[in-house]
Amino acid sequence: AQTVTQSQPEMSVQEAETVTLSCTYDTSESDYYLFWYKQPPSRQMILVIRQEAYKQQNATENRFSVNFQKAAKSFSLKISDSQLGDAAMYFCANRMGLVLGNEKLTFGTGTRLTIIP
Amino acid sequence: NAGVTQTPKFQVLKTGQSMTLQCAQDMNHNSMYWYRQDPGMGLRLIYYSASEGTTDKGEVPNGYNVSRLNKREFSLRLESAAPSQTSVYFCASRERRTGADTQYFGPGTRLTVL
Repeated sequence: AQTVTQSQPEMSVQEAETVTLSCTYDTSESDYYLFWYKQPPSRQMILVIRQEAYKQQNATENRFSVNFQKAAKSFSLKISDSQLGDAAMYFCANRMGLVLGNEKLTFGTGTRLTIIP
Repeated sequence: NAGVTQTPKFQVLKTGQSMTLQCAQDMNHNSMYWYRQDPGMGLRLIYYSASEGTTDKGEVPNGYNVSRLNKREFSLRLESAAPSQTSVYFCASRERRTGADTQYFGPGTRLTVL
């Protein structure tokens, strides 16, 4: 069974600083996808960034980047130049790979990020 | 382009009552999903539909039924609500092809069962 672990229930960062959120996962698959979702107080789940396991290059989306360590099964999210609007719950998620029919997205328990003005 | 919509946004039920949560997507996606989110936990998959006319159980299907009415709509039914079903429910959709692995979520329905 797949598992996703987020060991930091809460994090805080000063506005304009950089913060890294941790995520580890366990899967027996060689092909899979990893995601970070953001959930602000509105509860909407918003995709932040995704990473295909077969790609060695770390994904980046503007101020958001990941450090994907496949051998260590680690997938951390770095937020640079933190902004007040980044305050939210962040979920790491994993989906098995390229076989159609692997529908299940497995989520971690989330990290609540607070931005200090 | 509304994406994924859910109705209602809030609902309070008494134990034993029934209700249907509605979900619709306008992105022409093949796959649709229902998740529940409980405090301190990530989202857990209740049911999913890989394509119109098919449905399958997820992690926590007990107490729920689903209907994939057409490609756009996927409803979740609670036949006899229980307090353990108090949760926030999310619908999601995804285009079902290799490489299209992002799920897009609706705004959620907060359900309280008394």
